[in-house]
Amino acid sequence: GAGVSQSPRYKVAKRGQDVALRCDPISGHVSLFWYQQALGQGPEFLTYFQNEAQLDKSGLPSDRFFAERPEGSVSTLKIQRTQQEDSAVYLCASSLALTGPIETQYFGPGTRLLVL
Amino acid sequence: ILNVEQSPQSLHVQEGDSTNFTCSFPSSNFYALHWYRWETAKSPEALFVMTLNGDEKKKGRISATLNTKEGYSYLYIKGSQPEDSATYLCAFRAGNNRKLIWGLGTSLAVNP
Repeated sequence: GAGVSQSPRYKVAKRGQDVALRCDPISGHVSLFWYQQALGQGPEFLTYFQNEAQLDKSGLPSDRFFAERPEGSVSTLKIQRTQQEDSAVYLCASSLALTGPIETQYFGPGTRLLVL
Repeated sequence: ILNVEQSPQSLHVQEGDSTNFTCSFPSSNFYALHWYRWETAKSPEALFVMTLNGDEKKKGRISATLNTKEGYSYLYIKGSQPEDSATYLCAFRAGNNRKLIWGLGTSLAVNP
């Protein structure tokens, strides 16, 4: 079956440009997560949605980062006025949001963003 | 600040060798421990979700154990194959928080 897809896979932006990264979750998955992985680091949580509701955005590094999921399916992570420190792989994951600890997040391949 | 550590950072083994690596996590407020395998240019692949102290999980040649009281998990690969070459990441869930807190990963290279 189709997994989580992300687009674009690679993005080069000039410093100061706005970028939009898209995530298509697995059909029927209620929860959607965004993570950022800088070079040499582990992934770091950014935000997550339950359907269209953004329940936790504590990991967004600044107000230049904005995520939305207006219809509870596709999500977009937008970064305004990109800076060099935004260069990273942005991972999206989705899950069925089963109650309890047995919840697996299924990941897309990531979008590699390079800000010059 | 919750900290998840993995060791070693990288490992090179010969085909057929068995190997293991460690994930250390906070022993308080434990909820779940995840293992993922991530090959270059692919999506991270879920291997195990572990929740109970003493849990052991197995998938083919890969197995994992969990000790929540002392805060560590081991991942074992028996008879490594070149296709096992990947980065192995562990991620910790605290309390009933939905977000995963990740280690830096162990990069495994298996030489034919």
